[in-house]
This record gives sequence, structure tokens and C-alpha cells, in this order.
Amino acid sequence: EIVLTQSPGTLSLSPGERATLSCRASQSVSSGFLAWYQLKPGQTPRLLIYGASSRATGVPDRFSGSGSGTDFTLTISRLEPADFAVYYCQQYSSSVRTFGQGTKVEIK
Amino acid sequence: QLQLQESGPGLVKPSETLSLTCSVSGGSPSPNSHHWGWVRQPPGKGLEWIGTLYHSGNTNYNPSLKSRVTISGETSKTRFSLKLTSVTAADTAVYYCARHGCVNGVCYTWYFDLWGRGTLVTVSS
Repeated sequence: EIVLTQSPGTLSLSPGERATLSCRASQSVSSGFLAWYQLKPGQTPRLLIYGASSRATGVPDRFSGSGSGTDFTLTISRLEPADFAVYYCQQYSSSVRTFGQGTKVEIK
Repeated sequence: QLQLQESGPGLVKPSETLSLTCSVSGGSPSPNSHHWGWVRQPPGKGLEWIGTLYHSGNTNYNPSLKSRVTISGETSKTRFSLKLTSVTAADTAVYYCARHGCVNGVCYTWYFDLWGRGTLVTVSS
């Protein structure tokens, strides 16, 4: 099973700032088979990024994903109020799909 | 617009069976293409993939739950269900149903591109 470790656990930032979220895998995630999701209380989880760097339909271009192998990053270039949420990475390189433990982006 | 909605008891007694249904509505669920799954989130913890129902009817389960899980679906592909037997307090979680995404018209069991809002199931006597 591939274990995903996200850091930091919590990111305290102000609107307009840049957010950089990390997802590190315990073994190589082949072909960039990594996705990012946004979760907000009471709302449906939202797919942001798949294939490590491809934005899902309707996702603003301030969200970008990068990385390969064992190190992946989600960047939010300029935080908007709607972006304060919890973000999870998920790998689909192995037959057992696993998620990271999440990074909370909170308003400073 | 396609929507997923989980339904089922919010409280289950220890050692009993948790049963949830996911209803697909609001559009064509592409019955011959998409695959469907269940994910859960225990309170204060991260997400855990439970299993996947292929459009063929085959399944793939998380090994940690495999002995207790059954995911099945109706042939119309407008509903699919989750059963988890012999539950304990550790199975208390928000349970989500979700749809696996497609790339260039080919559907895989990779990431989830559409989710339900989730339903909290508490295991307690």
C-alpha cells in the first residue's frame, strides 16, 4: 500500500497569498497517477487535479498541480475566500487507492 | 446535472450490518461506461477508499475491509449499495459514494470526479 503524507497539516494564510501544499508518497507513484480534492463542510468533495497536473473541468487556473515520482505539490496562486478548505491528495498508481491525511488551509 | 445521494440508517449497533444506498439522479449516469465507488472519513481523520463497483458488475475492495464489504449495483445503474458487516465503533464515519472519472471517453477506476454529500453513520449501542 502506498502511504501518502501531506504537509503541512495546517496552513494559515491570508486571502491573496500563495498556498503550497505537499504530498509525499512512500513509493513512486507511476505515471503521475495522483489527484487532489477540496473538501468543505456540508458540501460535496470537489476534484481539482488529476494526473498530477491536469485541472478538472471548471477548476480555476489559480489551482495548479505538479510533481512526479514521490513528491507532488498543489499550488493555489492567490487565495480567494472560497479556497479555505481541507485538501487531500489521492494516488491511483496501486490497486489499493489511498489518500493523504489532508491539509487544512485556514484564514490567518 | 448528475447528482449522487447517499441514504441509509444514521445509527447502527455494534456487530450489525451497515447498509447504504447511493442514488444517481439528474442526468444520464452513462450506465455502460462509468465505475462507482465508496469512500469514508472517520471523525477527525482522512479519507479511506472502501471499494469500487465496475460497470461490468465486478468489484475491487480495500484489503483492510475486504472480508466485511459488499458493493453491488442495479442493472439500470441508477443505484448502487454498500454493505459492511460486523461493524464496530471504528466504522463510525461519513460515508461518501462517488463516480470514477473518464479520460478522453475511456472510463477508469482512477480518481473520483463526482461525489455525494456524504452521510454520517454512527456505530453505537
